[in-house]
Amino acid sequence: DGGITQSPKYLFRKEGQNVTLSCEQNLNHDAMYWYRQDPGQGLRLIYYSQIVNDFQKGDIAEGYSVSREKKESFPLTVTSAQKNPTAFYLCASSLDKSGGYTFGSGTRLTVV
Amino acid sequence: DAKTTQPTSMDCAEGRAANLPCNHSTISGNEYVYWYRQIHSQGPQYIIHGLKNNETNEMASLIITEDRKSSTLILPHATLRDTAVYYCIVRVPGAGNNRKLIWGLGTSLAVNP
Repeated sequence: DGGITQSPKYLFRKEGQNVTLSCEQNLNHDAMYWYRQDPGQGLRLIYYSQIVNDFQKGDIAEGYSVSREKKESFPLTVTSAQKNPTAFYLCASSLDKSGGYTFGSGTRLTVV
Repeated sequence: DAKTTQPTSMDCAEGRAANLPCNHSTISGNEYVYWYRQIHSQGPQYIIHGLKNNETNEMASLIITEDRKSSTLILPHATLRDTAVYYCIVRVPGAGNNRKLIWGLGTSLAVNP
């Protein structure tokens, strides 16, 4: 079955360390997105990519980096510059012209 | 993109219809209305979307008012598994517009036995 796979489901990181969250899709979708969700808040866009080798900053890109070397993959790196990285991270994809997003199951990152 | 307003929470009895309202009074002519739901600690799930006409699929029905300033998501026979947060968002299809999407806090629907 087609879908989006995020891994790991839970991730613990020490302060000052970079960590990379994986997102893979086999839906042949053009666009991919990373969102952050905090308790009591809506989803906030970190980065998005419309095509391979191109990506754009979202509303809260500071302290994060991404790459889009393959259509299927859009990994997110949470750097040590991100001041409050503990959150639930969601990856999504969509066809360029269609409306619906398909979301992964999320990665819960905790800084210890 | 337009912002939406939804009630914070709603209750529904199991087996009854759940009607979730959404106001989008500043929606523009080419913006679609989308509904998603999120069960605790999972990714949001697409439910349905529409532009002007009412829409129905296997999950729900979407009723959009004639002036398009509001809409209602209808779950015809709610089950306990429909307990989730329901998000109403408006957007123009196409990735280039997505950075302006506004995801509010949604409506927390509790389906009671």
